[in-house]
Amino acid sequence: NAGVMQNPRHLVRRRGQEARLRCSPMKGHSHVYWYRQLPEEGLKFMVYLQKENIIDESGMPKERFSAEFPKEGPSILRIQQVVRGDSAAYFCASSPVSSGANVLTFGAGSRLTVL
Amino acid sequence: AQSVTQLDSQVPVFEEAPVELRCNYSSSVSVYLFWYVQYPNQGLQLLLKYLSGSTLVESINGFEAEFNKSQTSFHLRKPSVHISDTAEYFCAVSDDTDKLIFGTGTRLQVFP
Repeated sequence: NAGVMQNPRHLVRRRGQEARLRCSPMKGHSHVYWYRQLPEEGLKFMVYLQKENIIDESGMPKERFSAEFPKEGPSILRIQQVVRGDSAAYFCASSPVSSGANVLTFGAGSRLTVL
Repeated sequence: AQSVTQLDSQVPVFEEAPVELRCNYSSSVSVYLFWYVQYPNQGLQLLLKYLSGSTLVESINGFEAEFNKSQTSFHLRKPSVHISDTAEYFCAVSDDTDKLIFGTGTRLQVFP
């Protein structure tokens, strides 16, 4: 049973380009969460999605960032017109039901570097 | 809104010494508490959790944490650390909402 799969593991982009990060949740998990870890900081919640629905995007920057979790395929975090401040590790987590008492399973992360 | 404070950003310790990593959270009606560990260039792994019941919870590798409601704390302890325990440790809290709130992490560095 594969865990949460994230790709790419490392991504380098120049300022102004687009970054797409993909996350395949664990088998049987229909809830996906994205977190961002800036250098020397903890993880900050970005967005929570179920299949085809955004449930909570209170942590998403208002511009340039979007997320989706289509009926088929992985969840995608998209960052348009990247800036140096977007350089961070982006972690995806999944759970079988809504979180709270349930444990999130995390992927290994995608590390974005903006030159 | 929930918040988590990890008072120590770095904790250096010698091998076989005891260690305590501190975690305090903002009060709420009910909370669930977690400790996650992150080894270099890896994702987070659950170390232990408190959901209800006994206030002392243990992990399989010798760590334990005690939920103290009056102190709003969930400190992580290990009586004798190993070199392999060197990692970043994150305390996290959730209530019945949909997301975990993490502390800023404590970097445990174990020296031989």
